[in-house]
Amino acid sequence: DVVMTQTPLSSPVTLGQPASISCRSSESLVHSDGNTYLSWFQQRPGQPPRLLIYKISNRFSGVPDRFSGSGAGTDFTLKISRVEVEDVGVYYCMQATQFPYTFGQGTKLEIK
Amino acid sequence: QVQLVQSGAELKKPGASVKVSCKASGYTFTGYYMHWVRQAPGQGLEWMGWINPNSGGTNYAQKFQGRVAMTRDTSISTAYMELSRLTSDDTAVYYCARKPSTISDVWGQGTTVTVSS
Repeated sequence: DVVMTQTPLSSPVTLGQPASISCRSSESLVHSDGNTYLSWFQQRPGQPPRLLIYKISNRFSGVPDRFSGSGAGTDFTLKISRVEVEDVGVYYCMQATQFPYTFGQGTKLEIK
Repeated sequence: QVQLVQSGAELKKPGASVKVSCKASGYTFTGYYMHWVRQAPGQGLEWMGWINPNSGGTNYAQKFQGRVAMTRDTSISTAYMELSRLTSDDTAVYYCARKPSTISDVWGQGTTVTVSS
């Protein structure tokens, strides 16, 4: 199985400041069709995951443009340009290139 | 609007089976694969597999092979996930998700399954 490793596991951030989460995969996530199926989800307490970014850098419908994704191959990053109160939660990367799909351990974003 | 509504919480004894339903509305049920993901208390997300509602074809994570069955009833736009031989390690919130991590991503609200004697 592809192992997804996120860093940091916890990220205290000041409101209005940027935040960055890294995700590394144990194998290249480039699919045979040329796409890289790496996504980012946000999960608030008691809620299902919410898709933020798909295929590395595509923002999902309704996601604020302060969220951005980048990377290639095995190294990926989610950035929040200016953290707001509503961004508190746990963030997961997920790969859908190989079966079984796998998630990172999650990064807890909290306000300092 | 597009919606996935899951069945209510379940309490099961070890060794029993549980069947969770996921009713789709607002779109053509047979047009999108349905996935199942679970989350143990305080833990991360774990992908279990998918079902193609059109053909009934399935793909399960190796970890659940032989213990999980994903089915569907197209007449009522509902997908099911049945997990057998339950242990305490199966205590989790179970989510159905329409083609997650794509432009078609939609999630159900989750179903809590508790396994306890």
